[in-house]
Amino acid sequence: DAKTTQPPSMDCAEGRAANLPCNHSTISGNEYVYWYRQIHSQGPQYIIHGLKNNETNEMASLIITEDRKSSTLILPHATLRDTAVYYCIVRSGGSNYKLTFGKGTLLTVNP
Amino acid sequence: EAGVVQSPRYKIIEKKQPVAFWCNPISGHNTLYWYRQNLGQGPELLIRYENEEAVDDSQLPKDRFSAERLKGVDSTLKIQPAELGDSAVYLCASRIGTAATNEKLFFGSGTQLSVL
Repeated sequence: DAKTTQPPSMDCAEGRAANLPCNHSTISGNEYVYWYRQIHSQGPQYIIHGLKNNETNEMASLIITEDRKSSTLILPHATLRDTAVYYCIVRSGGSNYKLTFGKGTLLTVNP
Repeated sequence: EAGVVQSPRYKIIEKKQPVAFWCNPISGHNTLYWYRQNLGQGPELLIRYENEEAVDDSQLPKDRFSAERLKGVDSTLKIQPAELGDSAVYLCASRIGTAATNEKLFFGSGTQLSVL
C-alpha cells in the first residue's frame, strides 16, 4: 500500500473549517483514500473514503487532487468533539487488502 | 444497533501470565479484525477473519499469540505467556461482507492491557 504523510498536529478554532492535508504521492490507480479518526480512549471511527472524485457525507468532505497525489479532509464547522487523531490511509483495491494506520494528525479544536 | 463489544475494558497482569480478550462483532458482520495499538502509534493489524477463516495472520506473533472465531461470530485473542512489550490496547473491528470494495470498519473501544 502507498505510504501517506500527514502533519503531526494542527489547531482549529471552534466553528471554523478544519482542513487536514495528506500526501500520498506514490498512490496507484486502484488504491482508495480512507480517513478515520480516533477520539481519546475510543476505537477509530470511519469518516469517509474515495477513489478519484470528491466525496461528501454528513461528517466531512474529501477533496482529492486531480493527480491523486494528495487529499484534504474538510470538517466544515469544527466543534470541540472533533478533537481527535485523524488518520489518512491508502488502501489497495486488490485481494491482499488491509488498512495500514500511520501516526495520523492530532487535531485540537480550541474554544 | 449495538456496536462492537469488547471485554474486559482493562486488564493488568504480571509477565508470563496468560490473558484473553473477547470480541462480539456487530450482528451480520462477516469480517472481523484484531488490531494492536501501542502508545502514540496507529493501530497495527494482527489478524483478519472472513467468517470463521483466518485469511491474514501474517502479523500475528504465533509463538505466543493465538486467536479463534468459532462459528464465525465471537472471537477471542489469547496471549500466553505475556511479556512486558505486550502492553498495549487491543482493538477489535468488524465490517459487513468480505469483498475488498469497502473497508468501512467499526471498532470496539478496546482492551487496555498492562503487563507488569
